[in-house]
Amino acid sequence: DAKTTQPPSMDCAEGRAANLPCNHSTISGNEYVYWYRQIHSQGPQYIIHGLKNNETNEMASLIITEDRKSSTLILPHATLRDTAVYYCIVRVATAGGTSYGKLTFGQGTILTVHP
Amino acid sequence: GAGVSQSPSNKVTEKGKDVELRCDPISGHTALYWYRQSLGQGLEFLIYFQGNSAPDKSGLPSDRFSAERTGGSVSTLTIQRTQQEDSAVYLCASSWSGGSFNEQFFGPGTRLTVL
Repeated sequence: DAKTTQPPSMDCAEGRAANLPCNHSTISGNEYVYWYRQIHSQGPQYIIHGLKNNETNEMASLIITEDRKSSTLILPHATLRDTAVYYCIVRVATAGGTSYGKLTFGQGTILTVHP
Repeated sequence: GAGVSQSPSNKVTEKGKDVELRCDPISGHTALYWYRQSLGQGLEFLIYFQGNSAPDKSGLPSDRFSAERTGGSVSTLTIQRTQQEDSAVYLCASSWSGGSFNEQFFGPGTRLTVL
């Protein structure tokens, strides 16, 4: 799976949008971009994933550049509860069975949302 | 419904003792994963189960580590002759299948401390 690069930390004011960048310049055509987050003392939580189109769900939006070499996770109205480590993961699309979806976590970005 | 549960939540043991960590995945999930998270190492993959078989054990750090899954449900991670470097949070995750399109749901983890 392709390597990702994220800033080690970011700050955001409560109520403002948090934009978390991720660089994945060696991504292959069959690799998806996934975002997970880990709130202190909890297990990681899935946020969103995408291939090349921008994606939106109830938690966040994912913007992927046209060349797919980078992406941005957007939390539109950050709250204090969004303070967490955010992981950007690139992962080969698989159907399951012996060909499966192992998650390879990097160091992630520590997002601190302050009042 | 219930999420992934793990027991015990905390385990303190003496060096050289054996420990067993348990994971109860979400009902119906055929894929199960073990990860561990230690200070300075981040989150690392240990083993993947599809049903009761383990197609990928490549992340197990030594032959002191083993895992099994019975009835396509509960899994046990066993560490024999524990060492201080085994101290970490051990996380279990499950998903509908091993395919990368399936979100992995993580449990709260077991914090293992080896004295």
